[in-house]
Amino acid sequence: KQEVTQIPAALSVPEGENLVLNCSFTDSAIYNLQWFRQDPGKGLTSLLLIQSSQREQTSGRLNASLDKSSGRSTLYIAASQPGDSATYLCAAPEGGANSKLTFGKGITLSVRP
Amino acid sequence: DTAVSQTPKYLVTQMGNDKSIKCEQNLGHDTMYWYKQDSKKFLKIMFSYNNKELIINETVPNRFSPKSPDKAHLNLHINSLELGDSAVYFCASSQQGPGELFFGEGSRLTVL
Repeated sequence: KQEVTQIPAALSVPEGENLVLNCSFTDSAIYNLQWFRQDPGKGLTSLLLIQSSQREQTSGRLNASLDKSSGRSTLYIAASQPGDSATYLCAAPEGGANSKLTFGKGITLSVRP
Repeated sequence: DTAVSQTPKYLVTQMGNDKSIKCEQNLGHDTMYWYKQDSKKFLKIMFSYNNKELIINETVPNRFSPKSPDKAHLNLHINSLELGDSAVYFCASSQQGPGELFFGEGSRLTVL
């Protein structure tokens, strides 16, 4: 059974700081891993999807890495802005083409102006 | 042009009532899902359909019944609502799983 852990649960940083959000998973036989952003009262927005054959994916100021052997993924946010304040969730499947995603509990990020 | 849309956005109802939530996706995806996010914000899958066929059915009370009339629609019907059913229910879709997941805005259910 896949378990996904995100620590810490909350993080507060000053604007402009580069930061890393961590995600660990127990079953490394994953098909892919996804990072999402959730704003209060809203749905989840997909940020990055990393396939199992990839080591990292980049989108703008975001870079996600995947290390299957160690069961870890990181989301790097460069030059953080107050608009980056949200909850960031990672999700990993249990394996197989029709498997379910297991979500971490998320990291609530606050970027102070 | 919303990719995954669900209605209603808010539902307030009494215990014992029956309610439905509808979901539609215009992304041409094969797979649709229902997720439940509880008061502690923990997100857990309930059901998944692939081309109208049920492929994932988590341990969910049988008061919850999903229905997929076609691959673009997945509805959730809940009978005999209980206080513990209060949560936000999210619909999502992807290409044949587990592809990139796209979520609706959520339907907040409050059972009084």
